[in-house]
Amino acid sequence: SQTIHQWPATLVQPVGSPLSLECTVEGTSNPNLYWYRQAAGRGLQLLFYSVGIGQISSEVPQNLSASRPQDRQFILSSKKLLLSDSGFYLCAWSVEEKGAFFGQGTRLTVV
Amino acid sequence: DAKTTQPPSMDCAEGRAANLPCNHSTISGNEYVYWYRQIHSQGPQYIIHGLKNNETNEMASLIITEDRKSSTLILPHATLRDTAVYYCIVRAAYTGGFKTIFGAGTRLFVKA
Repeated sequence: SQTIHQWPATLVQPVGSPLSLECTVEGTSNPNLYWYRQAAGRGLQLLFYSVGIGQISSEVPQNLSASRPQDRQFILSSKKLLLSDSGFYLCAWSVEEKGAFFGQGTRLTVV
Repeated sequence: DAKTTQPPSMDCAEGRAANLPCNHSTISGNEYVYWYRQIHSQGPQYIIHGLKNNETNEMASLIITEDRKSSTLILPHATLRDTAVYYCIVRAAYTGGFKTIFGAGTRLFVKA
Protein backbone atom coordinates (compact mmCIF):
# COMPACT_ATOMS: atom_id res chain seq x y z
CA SER A 1 0.00 0.00 0.00
CA GLN A 2 1.04 3.57 -0.53
CA THR A 3 2.22 5.75 2.32
CA ILE A 4 3.35 9.35 2.57
CA HIS A 5 5.79 10.66 5.12
CA GLN A 6 6.10 14.30 6.01
CA TRP A 7 8.32 15.81 8.66
CA PRO A 8 8.73 17.47 11.03
CA ALA A 9 5.24 17.59 12.54
CA THR A 10 5.82 20.97 14.17
CA LEU A 11 8.45 23.62 13.66
CA VAL A 12 9.17 27.00 15.21
CA GLN A 13 11.57 29.16 13.25
CA PRO A 14 12.74 32.76 13.62
CA VAL A 15 12.06 35.35 10.94
CA GLY A 16 14.83 35.37 8.36
CA SER A 17 15.89 31.77 8.95
CA PRO A 18 15.87 29.14 6.18
CA LEU A 19 13.30 26.38 5.84
CA SER A 20 13.36 22.85 4.49
CA LEU A 21 10.36 20.54 4.72
CA GLU A 22 10.62 17.07 3.26
CA CYS A 23 8.01 14.70 1.96
CA THR A 24 8.49 11.16 0.66
CA VAL A 25 6.04 8.71 -0.84
CA GLU A 26 6.31 4.93 -0.75
CA GLY A 27 4.52 2.24 -2.70
CA THR A 28 3.89 4.11 -5.93
CA SER A 29 5.84 5.18 -8.98
CA ASN A 30 5.81 8.51 -10.79
CA PRO A 31 3.21 10.14 -8.57
CA ASN A 32 2.07 13.71 -8.93
CA LEU A 33 3.24 15.56 -5.83
CA TYR A 34 1.81 18.69 -4.20
CA TRP A 35 2.51 21.21 -1.46
CA TYR A 36 -0.50 22.94 0.11
CA ARG A 37 -0.68 25.55 2.86
CA GLN A 38 -3.55 26.15 5.23
CA ALA A 39 -3.67 29.34 7.26
CA ALA A 40 -5.53 29.18 10.58
CA GLY A 41 -9.27 28.72 10.01
CA ARG A 42 -8.92 28.80 6.23
CA GLY A 43 -9.15 26.36 3.33
CA LEU A 44 -6.17 24.73 1.65
CA GLN A 45 -4.16 26.72 -0.86
CA LEU A 46 -2.14 24.90 -3.51
CA LEU A 47 1.45 26.18 -3.55
CA PHE A 48 3.35 23.84 -5.87
CA TYR A 49 2.81 20.69 -7.83
CA SER A 50 5.11 18.38 -9.74
CA VAL A 51 4.37 15.74 -12.37
CA GLY A 52 7.94 14.41 -12.53
CA ILE A 53 11.54 14.66 -11.36
CA GLY A 54 12.87 18.20 -11.67
CA GLN A 55 9.51 19.56 -12.84
CA ILE A 56 7.88 22.16 -10.56
CA SER A 57 4.86 24.36 -11.19
CA SER A 58 4.11 27.27 -8.90
CA GLU A 59 0.52 28.26 -8.32
CA VAL A 60 0.99 31.47 -6.36
CA PRO A 61 3.85 33.98 -6.07
CA GLN A 62 5.48 33.66 -2.71
CA ASN A 63 8.57 33.44 -0.58
CA LEU A 64 8.85 29.67 -0.98
CA SER A 65 10.31 27.27 -3.52
CA ALA A 66 9.98 23.56 -4.17
CA SER A 67 12.21 20.88 -5.61
CA ARG A 68 11.82 17.26 -6.63
CA PRO A 69 15.26 15.64 -6.66
CA GLN A 70 13.89 12.08 -6.80
CA ASP A 71 10.70 10.48 -8.09
CA ARG A 72 9.15 10.12 -4.66
CA GLN A 73 10.73 13.05 -2.82
CA PHE A 74 9.34 16.56 -2.67
CA ILE A 75 10.99 19.41 -0.74
CA LEU A 76 9.62 22.80 0.26
CA SER A 77 12.19 25.48 0.99
CA SER A 78 12.71 29.09 1.85
CA LYS A 79 15.92 31.10 2.11
CA LYS A 80 14.46 33.62 4.56
CA LEU A 81 11.19 33.02 6.37
CA LEU A 82 8.61 35.75 6.86
CA LEU A 83 5.99 35.97 9.60
CA SER A 84 3.34 35.43 6.92
CA ASP A 85 4.84 32.02 6.10
CA SER A 86 3.33 30.60 9.28
CA GLY A 87 0.73 27.95 8.63
CA PHE A 88 -0.05 24.28 8.25
CA TYR A 89 1.86 22.79 5.32
CA LEU A 90 0.61 19.62 3.70
CA CYS A 91 2.26 17.36 1.17
CA ALA A 92 0.07 15.19 -1.04
CA TRP A 93 0.39 12.73 -3.90
CA SER A 94 -1.98 11.53 -6.60
CA VAL A 95 -2.03 8.94 -9.35
CA GLU A 96 -4.48 9.23 -12.24
CA GLU A 97 -8.11 9.50 -11.16
CA LYS A 98 -7.68 8.27 -7.61
CA GLY A 99 -7.55 11.74 -6.12
CA ALA A 100 -5.03 13.17 -3.71
CA PHE A 101 -3.72 11.55 -0.53
CA PHE A 102 -2.25 13.76 2.14
CA GLY A 103 0.48 13.57 4.72
CA GLN A 104 -0.12 14.53 8.32
CA GLY A 105 1.23 18.04 7.83
CA THR A 106 3.81 20.34 9.37
CA ARG A 107 2.68 23.17 11.57
CA LEU A 108 5.13 26.00 11.03
CA THR A 109 5.26 28.99 13.34
CA VAL A 110 7.54 31.84 12.35
CA VAL A 111 8.42 34.04 15.32
CA ASP B 1 -12.23 22.71 -12.31
CA ALA B 2 -15.86 23.55 -11.57
CA LYS B 3 -16.75 25.60 -8.48
CA THR B 4 -18.59 23.98 -5.58
CA THR B 5 -20.88 25.47 -2.93
CA GLN B 6 -21.32 23.94 0.51
CA PRO B 7 -23.05 25.13 3.69
CA PRO B 8 -20.48 26.45 6.18
CA SER B 9 -21.62 24.23 9.05
CA MET B 10 -24.04 21.48 10.04
CA ASP B 11 -24.99 19.61 13.19
CA CYS B 12 -25.84 15.93 13.48
CA ALA B 13 -26.85 13.75 16.40
CA GLU B 14 -24.62 10.79 17.17
CA GLY B 15 -25.93 7.60 15.58
CA ARG B 16 -28.04 9.44 13.02
CA ALA B 17 -27.25 9.83 9.35
CA ALA B 18 -25.34 12.94 8.35
CA ASN B 19 -26.28 14.26 4.92
CA LEU B 20 -23.85 16.84 3.56
CA PRO B 21 -24.95 18.66 0.39
CA CYS B 22 -22.82 20.15 -2.35
CA ASN B 23 -23.82 22.19 -5.37
CA HIS B 24 -21.71 22.04 -8.52
CA SER B 25 -23.99 23.47 -11.19
CA THR B 26 -21.17 24.16 -13.67
CA ILE B 27 -19.77 20.64 -13.61
CA SER B 28 -18.51 19.32 -16.95
CA GLY B 29 -19.14 15.88 -18.36
CA ASN B 30 -15.64 14.60 -17.61
CA GLU B 31 -15.45 15.95 -14.06
CA TYR B 32 -15.63 13.72 -11.01
CA VAL B 33 -17.03 14.65 -7.60
CA TYR B 34 -14.62 13.99 -4.74
CA TRP B 35 -15.20 14.24 -1.02
CA TYR B 36 -12.51 14.70 1.61
CA ARG B 37 -12.60 15.44 5.29
CA GLN B 38 -10.13 17.10 7.61
CA ILE B 39 -10.11 16.41 11.30
CA HIS B 40 -8.54 19.17 13.34
CA SER B 41 -4.77 19.43 12.96
CA GLN B 42 -4.56 16.52 10.52
CA GLY B 43 -4.16 16.24 6.76
CA PRO B 44 -7.31 15.82 4.63
CA GLN B 45 -8.55 12.26 4.26
CA TYR B 46 -10.02 10.91 1.04
CA ILE B 47 -13.58 9.62 1.53
CA ILE B 48 -15.15 8.78 -1.81
CA HIS B 49 -15.52 9.92 -5.40
CA GLY B 50 -17.88 9.34 -8.31
CA LEU B 51 -18.73 10.42 -11.83
CA LYS B 52 -22.47 9.92 -12.26
CA ASN B 53 -23.49 6.72 -10.51
CA ASN B 54 -24.07 6.57 -6.78
CA GLU B 55 -21.12 5.14 -4.90
CA THR B 56 -20.72 3.44 -1.54
CA ASN B 57 -17.70 2.34 0.43
CA GLU B 58 -16.92 1.50 4.03
CA MET B 59 -16.89 5.15 5.04
CA ALA B 60 -19.81 6.75 3.22
CA SER B 61 -22.25 6.88 0.34
CA LEU B 62 -22.23 9.44 -2.46
CA ILE B 63 -25.48 10.34 -4.16
CA ILE B 64 -25.16 12.35 -7.38
CA THR B 65 -28.28 13.84 -8.95
CA GLU B 66 -29.20 12.80 -12.46
CA ASP B 67 -28.24 16.19 -13.88
CA ARG B 68 -24.98 16.02 -11.85
CA LYS B 69 -25.44 19.56 -10.63
CA SER B 70 -25.44 18.54 -6.98
CA SER B 71 -24.44 15.69 -4.74
CA THR B 72 -24.86 14.51 -1.16
CA LEU B 73 -22.36 12.73 1.03
CA ILE B 74 -24.07 10.42 3.51
CA LEU B 75 -22.43 9.18 6.70
CA PRO B 76 -24.99 6.49 7.66
CA HIS B 77 -24.34 6.39 11.40
CA ALA B 78 -22.38 9.45 12.49
CA THR B 79 -20.04 9.15 15.45
CA LEU B 80 -18.28 11.81 17.48
CA ARG B 81 -15.12 11.00 15.53
CA ASP B 82 -16.83 12.15 12.34
CA THR B 83 -16.69 15.76 13.56
CA ALA B 84 -14.55 17.42 10.89
CA VAL B 85 -14.53 19.80 7.93
CA TYR B 86 -15.87 18.08 4.80
CA TYR B 87 -14.70 19.27 1.39
CA CYS B 88 -16.57 18.67 -1.86
CA ILE B 89 -14.32 19.00 -4.91
CA VAL B 90 -15.01 18.69 -8.60
CA ARG B 91 -12.21 17.95 -11.01
CA ALA B 92 -11.49 16.20 -14.26
CA ALA B 93 -9.45 13.04 -14.14
CA TYR B 94 -6.29 12.70 -16.23
CA THR B 95 -5.76 16.45 -16.33
CA GLY B 96 -2.18 16.38 -15.21
CA GLY B 97 -2.71 16.26 -11.52
CA PHE B 98 -4.88 17.12 -8.58
CA LYS B 99 -4.45 20.88 -8.83
CA THR B 100 -7.76 21.62 -7.21
CA ILE B 101 -8.12 24.40 -4.70
CA PHE B 102 -9.92 23.29 -1.57
CA GLY B 103 -12.60 25.74 -0.43
CA ALA B 104 -13.91 26.35 3.07
CA GLY B 105 -15.95 23.13 3.18
CA THR B 106 -18.69 22.22 5.65
CA ARG B 107 -17.85 21.99 9.32
CA LEU B 108 -19.83 19.02 10.67
CA PHE B 109 -20.44 18.85 14.41
CA VAL B 110 -21.60 15.44 15.66
CA LYS B 111 -23.20 15.81 19.07
CA ALA B 112 -23.85 13.19 21.73
